Amino acid sequence: KAGVTQTPRYLIKTRGQQVTLSCSPISGHRSVSWYQQTPGQGLQFLFEYFSETQRNKGNFPGRFSGRQFSNSRSEMNVSTLELGDSALYLCASSDKGIVGETQYFGPGTRLLVL
Amino acid sequence: AQKVTQAQTEISVVEKEDVTLDCVYETRDTTYYLFWYKQPPSGELVFLIRRNSFDEQNEISGRYSWNFQKSTSSFNFTITASQVVDSAVYFCALNGGATNKLIFGTGTLLAVQP
Repeated sequence: KAGVTQTPRYLIKTRGQQVTLSCSPISGHRSVSWYQQTPGQGLQFLFEYFSETQRNKGNFPGRFSGRQFSNSRSEMNVSTLELGDSALYLCASSDKGIVGETQYFGPGTRLLVL
Repeated sequence: AQKVTQAQTEISVVEKEDVTLDCVYETRDTTYYLFWYKQPPSGELVFLIRRNSFDEQNEISGRYSWNFQKSTSSFNFTITASQVVDSAVYFCALNGGATNKLIFGTGTLLAVQP
């Protein structure tokens, strides 16, 4: 099976713009989670989607949003970008998204906000 | 609250040395899961192992071994006869409670010198 794919791999934006990142999970996986990785805060959970519904959300402002499509592909959107949003955004997929299930990560999207 | 501590920020060893990466966790859940992931410079988190709280058997996979001790809340990872290809950041993560959210440690950068 193909792994988790994320597009684009690199992105440069300026403050105030918005950005959309895409994630395609492993075939058959229905849960998609998003994580933000920064040098200062480390790896932090953003949100998780299952069957097109957001099931869990981390402690991030409302500028961070996401959605999931019927084919389990997911997008996350960040509006009104700030310098601090510069990070590696990682997407992970798992079969059902239940506790203890292994999550498989994609290569990430590196976002730089200038 | 759940927490994962990886006290070793960076470790440098010479090829063929054995190295142990420490992981200490905190949780009030009786059922929980522990993971190790490897992050090479490319950025993708590569799954290494998953362990549930009821299984304290140590595990060995090739040059990799894991020592899970509930009494000390530790889940340490040993690489035997390290190789340059082992150079990466290694993350320990915890999942418990009602969601599949992963709580990550801050990671340990392992540099294996030839």
